Amino acid sequence: SQQGEEDPQALSIQEGENATMNCSYKTSINNLQWYRQNSGRGLVHLILIRSNEREKHSGRLRVTLDTSKKSSSLLITASRAADTASYFCATDRSSSNTGKLIFGQGTTLQVKP
Amino acid sequence: DTAVSQTPKYLVTQMGNDKSIKCEQNLGHDTMYWYKQDSKKFLKIMFSYNNKELIINETVPNRFSPKSPDKAHLNLHINSLELGDSAVYFCASSQDGSWSPLHFGNGTRLTVT
Repeated sequence: SQQGEEDPQALSIQEGENATMNCSYKTSINNLQWYRQNSGRGLVHLILIRSNEREKHSGRLRVTLDTSKKSSSLLITASRAADTASYFCATDRSSSNTGKLIFGQGTTLQVKP
Repeated sequence: DTAVSQTPKYLVTQMGNDKSIKCEQNLGHDTMYWYKQDSKKFLKIMFSYNNKELIINETVPNRFSPKSPDKAHLNLHINSLELGDSAVYFCASSQDGSWSPLHFGNGTRLTVT
């Protein structure tokens, strides 16, 4: 079964606004990763947060992880039209680093200029 | 320089045919993957290889056969193509399994008619 579920499925905002996407998962994890996918392209890694971390930043991106609630959020501040893309969370729950990431169904973000 | 490259980008073929997709990474990573993304953007792992050794075979029909001639290459051969095989196939690589970020190719859109 699918591990991660993103919420909302679609989000439309104006340029300059903040965008928040949420991800929930079902089992304990080693790490959680966020990826961006532009239309017709491959996924691009954004941030990896380990299970013992609570928050990570990268530029305009902020990711939080709450393992007690089995949830994570991705915040994009001061959004730009170029941020328009689909965003996916992926979880690694393997104990032996088999490389198996489970992806959610993604949030489609549209940033209007 | 393209880190993970896969060819072809588009593949249109008829049911029953056999086709191959090639993937190469120049990042020196030990682990390579094949993922399938369906029309709803759901991304699911198919195979992973570590140093030419098969690690994950995720209940994929045996019409799909990955081949890794060396750790920089992971090809996917598909026999007797079916309509349901239509999807976008992504190759990816990582340095340390799922404990490190995945680097994706730009995908191969396979259409079976």
